[in-house]
Amino acid sequence: SYVLTQPPSVSVAPGQTARITCGGNNIGSKSVHWYQQKPGQAPVLVVYDDSDRPSGIPERFSGSNSGNTATLTISRVEAGDEADYYCQVWDSSTDWVFGGGTKLTVL
Amino acid sequence: QVQLVQSGAEVKKPGASVKVSCKASGYTFTSYGISWVRQAPGQGLEWMGWISAYNGNTNYAQKLQGRVTMTTDTSTSTAYMELRSLRSDDTAVYYCARVWGGPNAFDIWGQGTMVTVSS
Repeated sequence: SYVLTQPPSVSVAPGQTARITCGGNNIGSKSVHWYQQKPGQAPVLVVYDDSDRPSGIPERFSGSNSGNTATLTISRVEAGDEADYYCQVWDSSTDWVFGGGTKLTVL
Repeated sequence: QVQLVQSGAEVKKPGASVKVSCKASGYTFTSYGISWVRQAPGQGLEWMGWISAYNGNTNYAQKLQGRVTMTTDTSTSTAYMELRSLRSDDTAVYYCARVWGGPNAFDIWGQGTMVTVSS
């Protein structure tokens, strides 16, 4: 089965840039989606197809994907961005797979 | 507005079954699929399976094959997930999510249903 690897935690000061990675074998050939989950809430889609944003998601959220690593970038981080972030891919042979999640802490 | 509303929390004994509902509103139910995702306490997201609301086709995660059944009732725009032979490690929040067909991303989520398995 296909495995997605995320760092357990990332810390960043307010106003700085946070980068959360998602590693997978040749992930650059797949479409990657990112979800934000705050405590006690359902996940929210923040980036789809590597780098597109659903309506209502701030431009501070962006994504990239190449080789064996996809990256979610959050610019000008705010206290309200503190959450768990999950990457996800779909593949015809594996269906949907989630990464283990990364806890973003705003210092 | 587009939303998915799930049924309430459940407490079950080991070996029992649970059936969680997910009622859709604000969009054409049969134009999208529904996936189910669960999250054990303090853990990450686990994809459980998918059902087409158009024709009822299903695809289940291998580890749940034989214990899970997903169905839909198009007359009420409701999706169901039944899990049988419950074990303590099935204790989790269960989410339904609308599958956005083009990207195959989960664009709308239900609020979650807590299922506790305990003797």
